[in-house]
This record gives sequence, C-alpha cells and structure tokens, in this order.
Amino acid sequence: SQQGEEDPQALSIQEGENATMNCSYKTSINNLQWYRQNSGRGLVHLILIRSNEREKHSGRLRVTLDTSKKSSSLLITASRAADTASYFCATDELGGGGADGLTFGKGTHLIIQP
Amino acid sequence: DAGVIQSPRHEVTEMGQEVTLRCKPISGHNSLFWYRQTMMRGLELLIYFNNNVPIDDSGMPEDRFSAKMPNASFSTLKIQPSEPRDSAVYFCASSFRDGANVLTFGAGSRLTVL
Repeated sequence: SQQGEEDPQALSIQEGENATMNCSYKTSINNLQWYRQNSGRGLVHLILIRSNEREKHSGRLRVTLDTSKKSSSLLITASRAADTASYFCATDELGGGGADGLTFGKGTHLIIQP
Repeated sequence: DAGVIQSPRHEVTEMGQEVTLRCKPISGHNSLFWYRQTMMRGLELLIYFNNNVPIDDSGMPEDRFSAKMPNASFSTLKIQPSEPRDSAVYFCASSFRDGANVLTFGAGSRLTVL
C-alpha cells in the first residue's frame, strides 16, 4: 500500500519560479526522503529529513517536516529546465528493526517551462 | 563505483515464458530491494534482503515470482510463467543500513509481456 501521497500529481511552472510539492503519510517514521526520477531512469536520492528535524536545506532544495500532521513539503527555488522530473517522497517507517524497504508515494510530475 | 547494475534494460517476451532479471548492488551495501513500478500502482516493494537473507517477501504478488541472493554481489528476480499484467519497470536498489536507509537505485529493467 502507498504510504506517502504527493500533491499535486502534476505541476507546470516557468523557469525561475519556485516549485512546491507536498507529501502526506500515515504511520510513524524514522525519516522521510525525497527522490527524483528523470524519464526512463532510476530514482535518485535528493534529501533526507529525520523525524526530530523540522527543516533542512540542500542547495536549492528546502524540505520541511511536520510529524504532528504527518506531512512534508519539498521546495525547489529558482527552478531550471533540468529540474523537469518526477519527485517522490518515501518514508522509513518506525519500528522496522532492520533495513526495511522505503514506502513511496505516486509522485509529482514537475515540468519547468523554459 | 558503477552504481547498482541491472540487466537486461529491456525485455520483451511472450506470455508463459520465464523471465529472469539480474542485479548487482553497490559493493559494501548490506541491503537489497526489488521494486516494481507501474502507472496504476506506482512503486511497490516486492522483496528485500538483509545480508543476503530474504526478510520480507510479502510484496511478491504471486508464487510465480521468486527472488534469490546467493551472495552479496548478485540477486535475481524470476517470473515463471510470465503474464501480460507483469509488464512493468522493475528496479533493484541497495543501501547500507547505518541508521538511515538511503537507497541507490539501478536504471531499471523494463519488462513487456505480450
């Protein structure tokens, strides 16, 4: 079953604008991660935020986590055409007791118009 | 490191045939995961291994699916007999369980069953 659910399913913006994607999940987590997938390729890890963190930055990426609402957001600032891809949130559920698989949402398809 | 290596990249087969997908994880990673991606269901975790031992295969859809990891550098996912509804992209991913669970994905194997 899908844990994370991204919103919106698709987003189209102009180059240079900021893009915000949201993710909701259902269970308690160790951490939440965001991945990017370019068309026809595998997923690439972008950023991880632990359950005791509220905000994290990496370059043009900003991630927030609200464990009380079981939600996260990914902000990409000053978007570029190369940011066009699908973005997935993934949760590492609490109490796994080992390397459990991450549970992925269905993703947000982001299109950056040049 | 060449990353997670999957083969074949593309496979077209007829219903009833046996399909074997292969994966070489990143050297030193101790967890390996098989995911399936379709438009309808998104990314589904099929099975994962810790230290070459299968831990949870509850995501394997049917007995037609089997997976093995005979050593730390090789895993196979087998479908026998294949059916059209098995058509999907199959991803292998590996990780080093060190408190986080960041996955490195292969490029995927696109399977089409006619």
